[in-house]
Amino acid sequence: KAGVTQTPRYLIKTRGQQVTLSCSPISGHRSVSWYQQTPGQGLQFLFEYFSETQRNKGNFPGRFSGRQFSNSRSEMNVSTLELGDSALYLCASSLWPGGDQPQHFGDGTRLSIL
Amino acid sequence: TQLLEQSPQFLSIQEGENLTVYCNSSSVFSSLQWYRQEPGEGPVLLVTVVTGGEVKKLKRLTFQFGDARKDSSLHITAAQPGDTGLYLCAGQEAGGANNLFFGTGTRLTVIP
Repeated sequence: KAGVTQTPRYLIKTRGQQVTLSCSPISGHRSVSWYQQTPGQGLQFLFEYFSETQRNKGNFPGRFSGRQFSNSRSEMNVSTLELGDSALYLCASSLWPGGDQPQHFGDGTRLSIL
Repeated sequence: TQLLEQSPQFLSIQEGENLTVYCNSSSVFSSLQWYRQEPGEGPVLLVTVVTGGEVKKLKRLTFQFGDARKDSSLHITAAQPGDTGLYLCAGQEAGGANNLFFGTGTRLTVIP
């Protein structure tokens, strides 16, 4: 069974640019969550999507947005990039939404802002 | 302020030693999960505990959920180099937001 696939694995951008990250969940999983991981803050919840609807959102500015498609694939977008956005962005899928569901993580996209 | 505090933050031990990692909070959790993350990879789920006082064993790993569902511990017996990694606890706050909060992490290094 294929796992969660995130693309690209690495990305280098400059301040002010925007970026789109992609996540393909495990087949049959309908919920997708996004997390930001940094050495200082650890894993921080960004948002969760289920049935193409955002169900939960973490404490991040509006520059961070996402969407989910009818095949459950998800994208997240960060606009007007700042140096502090450098991080590992992780996507996780689960059968159903909710914090009690086991999360199956991809290997992440490492975003570096110059 | 982190909802879930883990201790210790870093741990370096010799192969064969035992260790315990703690995950503490002032909040009550409806469930708690433990993950292990290796460099360059995403976290992998080890176990989920849902009942206060629950103990689960996974080979040399023993997980316990506190009676009040505010804390948890992970005990590793006879650690091996393959146990090296970042250990993360994560929980859904009871009656709170319906998303997962992750702990601050414990980075374990087992020296051969």
